[in-house]
Amino acid sequence: AQTVTQSQPEMSVQEAETVTLSCTYDTSESDYYLFWYKQPPSRQMILVIRQEAYKQQNATENRFSVNFQKAAKSFSLKISDSQLGDAAMYFCAYRSGTSGTYKYIFGTGTRLKVLA
Amino acid sequence: ETGVTQTPRHLVMGMTNKKSLKCEQHLGHNAMYWYKQSAKKPLELMFVYSLEERVENNSVPSRFSPECPNSSHLFLHLHTLQPEDSALYLCASSQAGAGAGYGYTFGSGTRLTVV
Repeated sequence: AQTVTQSQPEMSVQEAETVTLSCTYDTSESDYYLFWYKQPPSRQMILVIRQEAYKQQNATENRFSVNFQKAAKSFSLKISDSQLGDAAMYFCAYRSGTSGTYKYIFGTGTRLKVLA
Repeated sequence: ETGVTQTPRHLVMGMTNKKSLKCEQHLGHNAMYWYKQSAKKPLELMFVYSLEERVENNSVPSRFSPECPNSSHLFLHLHTLQPEDSALYLCASSQAGAGAGYGYTFGSGTRLTVV
């Protein structure tokens, strides 16, 4: 069975600095997707970035980028130029690429605090 | 209204009550999901509907009963709940099949407290 591990329950970063959130996963599949979701106090989970396992190039969305290490099964999120609005819970998630599979597997989350 | 809308936002119910949670999406998605979010635990998938057919039921107690009358609406009917059922219940939608690889769109959840 697949698992997703986020080993940092809480992280802090100074405004305008860079922070990296860690995520590791375990799977025997070769085709899958990885995601980072953000959950601010409003509670709505928002998709931050996604990565397809077959793509070697790391995904980037503005200030957010990932370091995808497929062999190491690592999928870290880097937030550059941190802003106060980045403060939230961040969840790493895995989805199998197998047809007919619907389940996303989420980590336990990392709470990010942004210090002014 | 766009996105995924969940009502009510907060719900307090007694253990003998019957209530329903509602989820609505107007994104043209054809798969909908119920998740339970408890503190310090990973999100737990409860039910999946794809093309209005239930395709996954993750050993959820029968006191939770889902209903998907059409591709835009999803309900979670609750009865005789236990205090440990208190949690944030999140609804999400996506395209079915390969489209789900593009990620979910979530609602803001219903904070349920069972007293």
